[in-house]
Amino acid sequence: RKEVEQDPGPFNVPEGATVAFNCTYSNSASQSFFWYRQDCRKEPKLLMSVYSSGNEDGRFTAQLNRASQYISLLIRDSKLSDSATYLCVVRPDNAGNMLTFGGGTRLMVKP
Amino acid sequence: DTAVSQTPKYLVTQMGNDKSIKCEQNLGHDTMYWYKQDSKKFLKIMFSYNNKELIINETVPNRFSPKSPDKAHLNLHINSLELGDSAVYFCASSHYQETQYFGPGTRLLVL
Repeated sequence: RKEVEQDPGPFNVPEGATVAFNCTYSNSASQSFFWYRQDCRKEPKLLMSVYSSGNEDGRFTAQLNRASQYISLLIRDSKLSDSATYLCVVRPDNAGNMLTFGGGTRLMVKP
Repeated sequence: DTAVSQTPKYLVTQMGNDKSIKCEQNLGHDTMYWYKQDSKKFLKIMFSYNNKELIINETVPNRFSPKSPDKAHLNLHINSLELGDSAVYFCASSHYQETQYFGPGTRLLVL
């Protein structure tokens, strides 16, 4: 079983749609959680951290369910520029800064 | 004004050759990393240096040797290149246990 699992997609949605991605992680001792965004042939960039109480940043909402070891990302009012691969990222513990990446979920927003 | 830079951007070479990839950051970070992203897009940590000391060394063939001459630089030397080394190699940097910023990647193709 992979440490961080994501549906690879692609998710094809029209502009303005709401889309949700899910991610599960296997290490129950994981402490920190993030969503990164990676555009085609570019480097990953931090989109947002994920906090236990859930958090929102504009059109993006992240949720964490520690009991189910599940993380989600909701994008409202999708824009063409949201087309990218979204990487679920977990940091196993706070003793180091080793990030474990999921394989990513590809989103394509169409006009 | 590039934050994390890597050279070269593309590297095409024959099996058995030795090559190096260089990474520099001007963010004043104390921790630097090398990641490998394979053809299936999984991004995996290879090495991490904190204040020029190796702190993460994942299961990587010993043909790969990182070198950190100072806190702003982390180079990756690869001996006896193999076909399976073909991938995109990303350098990243951060303050210890804080957000990681990635370089643009080096696309390595071994023929």
